[in-house]
Amino acid sequence: GQQVMQIPQYQHVQEGEDFTTYCNSSTTLSNIQWYKQRPGGHPVFLIQLVKSGEVKKQKRLTFQFGEAKKNSSLHITATQTTDVGTYFCAGTTGANNLFFGTGTRLTVIP
Amino acid sequence: NAGVMQNPRHLVRRRGQEARLRCSPMKGHSHVYWYRQLPEEGLKFMVYLQKENIIDESGMPKERFSAEFPKEGPSILRIQQVVRGDSAAYFCASSPTGGYGYTFGSGTRLTVV
Repeated sequence: GQQVMQIPQYQHVQEGEDFTTYCNSSTTLSNIQWYKQRPGGHPVFLIQLVKSGEVKKQKRLTFQFGEAKKNSSLHITATQTTDVGTYFCAGTTGANNLFFGTGTRLTVIP
Repeated sequence: NAGVMQNPRHLVRRRGQEARLRCSPMKGHSHVYWYRQLPEEGLKFMVYLQKENIIDESGMPKERFSAEFPKEGPSILRIQQVVRGDSAAYFCASSPTGGYGYTFGSGTRLTVV
């Protein structure tokens, strides 16, 4: 079955430091999406990437989709305490349902 | 414009009882998905439905679990004869088209005692 792995599983950073999470799929993806889940909350859609090599930015967040469409990354510049949460990548292979990665839990130390 | 509505937010059931979880998708969304999340873990796909049709149930346990999305009313995830291992957060999501930009509900936290 399809597997989407993320590393690291946990990341603790000082406020102001950068943060990156990496997502790797065992199969080629049609698109990749990123979600954020705050502690005790529900996943919230952040962005979708479709094209090979695509890069998108949202303020301090930069999202990349690999050339082979099997990996992706999310980079946060100068983290803030509001960035705390678990970041999930999720991919589709053409079927309509998303398979979620294992997630990276980010803790930001003030 | 209400988002995805799930109820109840919290549900406590004794072993052997039935749990019934409801999900009303966003207005205009005809694709509904159910996911299960164990504490400190990721989201595991369970089932994908459109109105009156189950599109993909490859993530559903073969026994005790069923899902429906009738022509009228919310989608229902039903767990019969619950066991302790069913304790988890169950999230419903909807989208206007398949596979794009899911909107999640707040989830139902099921506790089996």
